[in-house]
Amino acid sequence: DAGVIQSPRHEVTEMGQEVTLRCKPISGHDYLFWYRQTMMRGLELLIYFNNNVPIDDSGMPEDRFSAKMPNASFSTLKIQPSEPRDSAVYFCASSFLGAGAYEQYFGPGTRLTVT
Amino acid sequence: AQSVTQLDSQVPVFEEAPVELRCNYSSSVSVYLFWYVQYPNQGLQLLLKYLSGSTLVKGINGFEAEFNKSQTSFHLRKPSVHISDTAEYFCAVSRNSGGSNYKLTFGKGTLLTVNP
Repeated sequence: DAGVIQSPRHEVTEMGQEVTLRCKPISGHDYLFWYRQTMMRGLELLIYFNNNVPIDDSGMPEDRFSAKMPNASFSTLKIQPSEPRDSAVYFCASSFLGAGAYEQYFGPGTRLTVT
Repeated sequence: AQSVTQLDSQVPVFEEAPVELRCNYSSSVSVYLFWYVQYPNQGLQLLLKYLSGSTLVKGINGFEAEFNKSQTSFHLRKPSVHISDTAEYFCAVSRNSGGSNYKLTFGKGTLLTVNP
């Protein structure tokens, strides 16, 4: 299996622009998680989906952030408008209930820089 | 809510020396515990997990961890490290009952540097 795929790997944008991060989970996985990693705050769970339905979005920092999962093989995390404080590495992870859903498989991450 | 404290932000060791990375957690309910490793510019990879049963858990790459409920700890150990073990290690916890079982709360990470 190709593992969790994220694109782009690096994104540099100017403040105020819209940013869209993409994730393809491992085939057959029914949970998908979005995390943000920064030096100051470490790894934070932003939102997670089960069977394409958002279950918990309490970690989404503010209305500028939105996430969708239109089907089992694709999810997006959108920031509009972006701000310099959004600069971070964003990880997508997936898992499936058969494994107890506790083992999460992480993608390589998207490094976002907002100038 | 759960929380995780990794007591050391950086641990330098020499190759072939033993290492212990410390992790303490706080939770009002029973938990599951995990250690993940992150190599430079990569995502996180599961090293080992404790769900139930034996408190000594063995993982990949020769790592093991021991769950100590009374001490609320889950320290990671390896008897002899290699240069290739240089990475950041994250301890994580999730609750094992009720809703949101699948949310992981991570510690801040411990950077293990293995020197020749």
